[in-house]
Amino acid sequence: AQTVTQSQPEMSVQEAETVTLSCTYDTSESNYYLFWYKQPPSRQMILVIRQEAYKQQNATENRFSVNFQKAAKSFSLKISDSQLGDTAMYFCAFMKRTSGTYKYIFGTGTRLKVLA
Amino acid sequence: EPEVTQTPSHQVTQMGQEVILRCVPISNHLYFYWYRQILGQKVEFLVSFYNNEISEKSEIFDDQFSVERPDGSNFTLKIRSTKLEDSAMYFCASRPDRLEQYFGPGTRLTVT
Repeated sequence: AQTVTQSQPEMSVQEAETVTLSCTYDTSESNYYLFWYKQPPSRQMILVIRQEAYKQQNATENRFSVNFQKAAKSFSLKISDSQLGDTAMYFCAFMKRTSGTYKYIFGTGTRLKVLA
Repeated sequence: EPEVTQTPSHQVTQMGQEVILRCVPISNHLYFYWYRQILGQKVEFLVSFYNNEISEKSEIFDDQFSVERPDGSNFTLKIRSTKLEDSAMYFCASRPDRLEQYFGPGTRLTVT
């Protein structure tokens, strides 16, 4: 069975600084996807970034980038130039590529607070 | 931009009562999901639904749970006889024929 671990329950960062959220996972699968979702207070989860395991290149989306280390089963999220609107709960999620239902397996989340 | 909506935002019920949590997925989406998050714990998969039937369910999704899509727009989760341990945040999600799921804001269920 797959597991996802986020070891940082809470983090804070000064506005305009860079912060890295960690995520590790355990799987015997070779084909899978990894995701970071953001959940602002009282709002729905929205996709931040996605990484295909077969791609060596780390995904980037504007100020968001990942450090994907497949051998180490690590998938950290880096937020550059942090903004107040980045304050949210961040969830790391795993999905088997061969899964017919494409369900997510989530971590427990990291609560990020961006300080003015 | 279309969004997944869920009602109610907060439901309080007594142990043993039936509850129905409602979701309106995005209209052209084909796959539907329910997840739940007990306070302080992981978001857990409950069930997936496609083509008017359950495609996968977790161990959590026992006989007290059921899902249906009664009218082609709503997607409901029914808990027949609630227990204290059913208290959680319940998230609905939907997706088109692509990988990413779109989530609703959740329903907080409190069983007293």
